[in-house]
Amino acid sequence: GAGVSQSPSNKVTEKGKDVELRCDPISGHTALYWYRQSLGQGLEFLIYFQGNSAPDKSGLPSDRFSAERTGESVSTLTIQRTQQEDSAVYLCASSLMKSSGETQYFGPGTRLLVL
Amino acid sequence: DQQVKQNSPSLSVQEGRISILNCDYTNSMFDYFLWYKKYPAEGPTFLISISSIKDKNEDGRFTVFLNKSAKHLSLHIVPSQPGDSAVYFCAGFAVGQNFVFGPGTRLSVLP
Repeated sequence: GAGVSQSPSNKVTEKGKDVELRCDPISGHTALYWYRQSLGQGLEFLIYFQGNSAPDKSGLPSDRFSAERTGESVSTLTIQRTQQEDSAVYLCASSLMKSSGETQYFGPGTRLLVL
Repeated sequence: DQQVKQNSPSLSVQEGRISILNCDYTNSMFDYFLWYKKYPAEGPTFLISISSIKDKNEDGRFTVFLNKSAKHLSLHIVPSQPGDSAVYFCAGFAVGQNFVFGPGTRLSVLP
């Protein structure tokens, strides 16, 4: 079956531009997560969606970052006025639910480079 | 505050030998611990997990040990194979909270 997909796989942008990253979770997965992995660092939690509940935005590093998800489908992560320190791999993951520590299934990531 | 620590950024092991990857945590509220494996240019994939009420979980060549009093867990791979070469992430999860990942350990299994 289809796994988590992300697009684009690579994105190069200029400082100050906006970027939009897309995540297609596994069908039926109610939980969706965005993480960021900077060079040499671990996975940094950004935001979490669970069904129609209000998202947990506690990991977003600044108000330049926002994310949306419609129902239990596609999610988009938007970074406005990109900075060089935003360069990282942005990973999306989905799971059936979160409450019992369900395994997360990760997408391949979007590699963002801000020049 | 780094809740999940993997103090060895890299580890090299000879093929056929045992690989031991270590993970320490500070949050005593974690209910589950998970290990993920990540190959270059791919997303992490789930490997094995353990509930906080257990001290050992085994799946084929992979065994995870949990020492709650020491807030320490380890992943044992035996025998190690070249295909095991990857970055291994330890993660903790508390019900109602978010997953917390460690920085990862890069394992190289030498043929």
